[in-house]
Amino acid sequence: TQLLEQSPQFLSIQEGENLTVYCNSSSVFSSLQWYRQEPGEGPVLLVTVVTGGEVKKLKRLTFQFGDARKDSSLHITAAQPGDTGLYLCAGGGQGAQKLVFGQGTRLTINP
Amino acid sequence: DTGVSQNPRHKITKRGQNVTFRCDPISEHNRLYWYRQTLGQGPEFLTYFQNEAQLEKSRLLSDRFSAERPKGSFSTLEIQRTEQGDSAMYLCASSLNPRDTQYFGPGTRLTVL
Repeated sequence: TQLLEQSPQFLSIQEGENLTVYCNSSSVFSSLQWYRQEPGEGPVLLVTVVTGGEVKKLKRLTFQFGDARKDSSLHITAAQPGDTGLYLCAGGGQGAQKLVFGQGTRLTINP
Repeated sequence: DTGVSQNPRHKITKRGQNVTFRCDPISEHNRLYWYRQTLGQGPEFLTYFQNEAQLEKSRLLSDRFSAERPKGSFSTLEIQRTEQGDSAMYLCASSLNPRDTQYFGPGTRLTVL
């Protein structure tokens, strides 16, 4: 069974600080996605990484896929209150591509 | 808006009642997925369709759950004899092809009293 562990599960920081969220597994994934979810809404895709070692940037967000395609990280620079939300990593395996999700990191950015 | 839509957005029911949810995927998306998300957890896979064929079901999908996609377009998820443990957000996602990005709908929040 493929599992994804996210850490930390909760993070509360001040506006302007930097943060990193981790997503780890003992399994290899063919791709890994990061989603952001607002209360009462479905997850919204932020990025997909598919190549080991790949780094993608989305404004102040930097995503990295581990060389062995077993882990990923999300780094936010100069966090803003608008970054508040639930961040989910999800791994796609071979074949059916059903997603395996981590339990999420609930991020709160305080003004 | 041409995203994934789900109805109803909220459903409150009494234990033992049957409920049905509907998902309309993005037009021409062949793959349709159902996930369940309980409070404080990430979504968990329930089942998926390739066009009208249901190709995989999770062990989470007990006999009380049934999903259909009769014409390869919209899908329904029915829960019979609901239990309090069925309370969750039920999410639908669609993708054009198996390896493509899955786009999620807003979900249906079910509360079983």
